[in-house]
Amino acid sequence: RKEVEQDPGPFNVPEGATVAFNCTYSNSASQSFFWYRQDCRKEPKLLMSVYSSGNEDGRFTAQLNRASQYISLLIRDSKLSDSATYLCVVNRRVGTYKYIFGTGTRLKVLA
Amino acid sequence: NAGVTQTPKFRILKIGQSMTLQCAQDMNHNYMYWYRQDPGMGLKLIYYSVGAGITDKGEVPNGYNVSRSTTEDFPLRLELAAPSQTSVYFCASREQGGETQYFGPGTRLLVL
Repeated sequence: RKEVEQDPGPFNVPEGATVAFNCTYSNSASQSFFWYRQDCRKEPKLLMSVYSSGNEDGRFTAQLNRASQYISLLIRDSKLSDSATYLCVVNRRVGTYKYIFGTGTRLKVLA
Repeated sequence: NAGVTQTPKFRILKIGQSMTLQCAQDMNHNYMYWYRQDPGMGLKLIYYSVGAGITDKGEVPNGYNVSRSTTEDFPLRLELAAPSQTSVYFCASREQGGETQYFGPGTRLLVL
């Protein structure tokens, strides 16, 4: 079983739709959680960190459920420019911090 | 700030050739990382460094070597290229105490 699991998609949604992605992690020692966005043939870029209290940045909302070991990302009012792959990243301390990347969920927003 | 830079952007190697992938950052970050990303796979850590003169193996270090003589530079060396090393290589850095990794634009490597 992979340490971080994501549905690869693609999720094809119309503009203006709300879409949600989940990510599960298996190691309960995981400490920090992130969503990164990766455009085709580009580097990953931090979208947002995920906290137990949940956090929101404009149209994006991230939630963490430690008891069930999953994190989620909600995108409201989808834009064409949101089309990308969304990577779930989990961080835990093994000496230094170790970052575990999910394989990503592809989102296509359709006009 | 240029952030994290990588060269070359793309390279084709023949089996058995060697090359060095360059990575530099101008943010004075202590921590630097090399990842590879294969199609449909998550990023895999090759090597990392917690500061100049200190490097350590990641998840998939075989076939690679690194050095960290300065804070800014973290080159990745492939000694005997193999087709299995065909991949996209990303370098990343983060500051001490920070959790956000900043990635370079990547190097696409094709070994034939």
